[in-house]
Amino acid sequence: EPEVTQTPSHQVTQMGQEVILRCVPISNHLYFYWYRQILGQKVEFLVSFYNNEISEKSEIFDDQFSVERPDGSNFTLKIRSTKLEDSAMYFCASSAGGYYEAFFGQGTRLTVV
Amino acid sequence: SQQGEEDPQALSIQEGENATMNCSYKTSINNLQWYRQNSGRGLVHLILIRSNEREKHSGRLRVTLDTSKKSSSLLITASRAADTASYFCATVSHVYGQNFVFGPGTRLSVLP
Repeated sequence: EPEVTQTPSHQVTQMGQEVILRCVPISNHLYFYWYRQILGQKVEFLVSFYNNEISEKSEIFDDQFSVERPDGSNFTLKIRSTKLEDSAMYFCASSAGGYYEAFFGQGTRLTVV
Repeated sequence: SQQGEEDPQALSIQEGENATMNCSYKTSINNLQWYRQNSGRGLVHLILIRSNEREKHSGRLRVTLDTSKKSSSLLITASRAADTASYFCATVSHVYGQNFVFGPGTRLSVLP
C-alpha cells in the first residue's frame, strides 16, 4: 500500500542551525502539507502546497520556514535558523485532492538544543 | 477559537467494551476525518465522512455526523488493548481553506 515516507525519523540540531526535513508523498497525490505537534499538544497546520506553490500557510509558518518540491517526488521543509521552540514532531501529509483523505507520514522528531 | 474539539479528553474502558468519542466544530465543513495516533507515532487515517453523509462504517468503527449540531462521533465496538491510542478529528472547511484543522484529541486506554 502506498505511504508517505519521512526522513530522518529523528533530528537533533543546535539552536540557530538550518534543518531540512524530507518527505516523499504518495506518487499520484497533488496536495502536500506540513503539520507539527509539540509534545503533548495538538496537531497544528503549517503549510499546504499545490501546483508547485504554497496554497495556504499558518501564522507559525513565518519567514524562517520554506518548502520546496525540488524534483517532482520529494517535498521538503526547511527551517533556516532553528529555535528551541521549534522542537516538535513534524508531519508531512499528502492527498489526492483538496477534499480527500490526507495520509500522514510517521513524522520527524526535531529536537533543538 | 477551536474548530474541532473532542470529548472526552481521556477515556478508560475494559477490553470488549465499546468506546465513544465525540467531536464538535464551529464552521460549516466539507468533510470530517478521524485519525488515530499511537504514542509518539504518526497519524493513521481511519475514516472520512462528507457533509452530506450521516453515518459510515469501517470494520469495528462507526462514525456519525450531525451537521445541524456541528458534531461527529466515533464508536469503536468490542475494543481491544491494541486500540489504545489518541484519536483526533480533523475538519476540512471552506472557511479554513483546504487544510485539516485538528482537535486536541481523546486519549483512549483499553485495559486488558
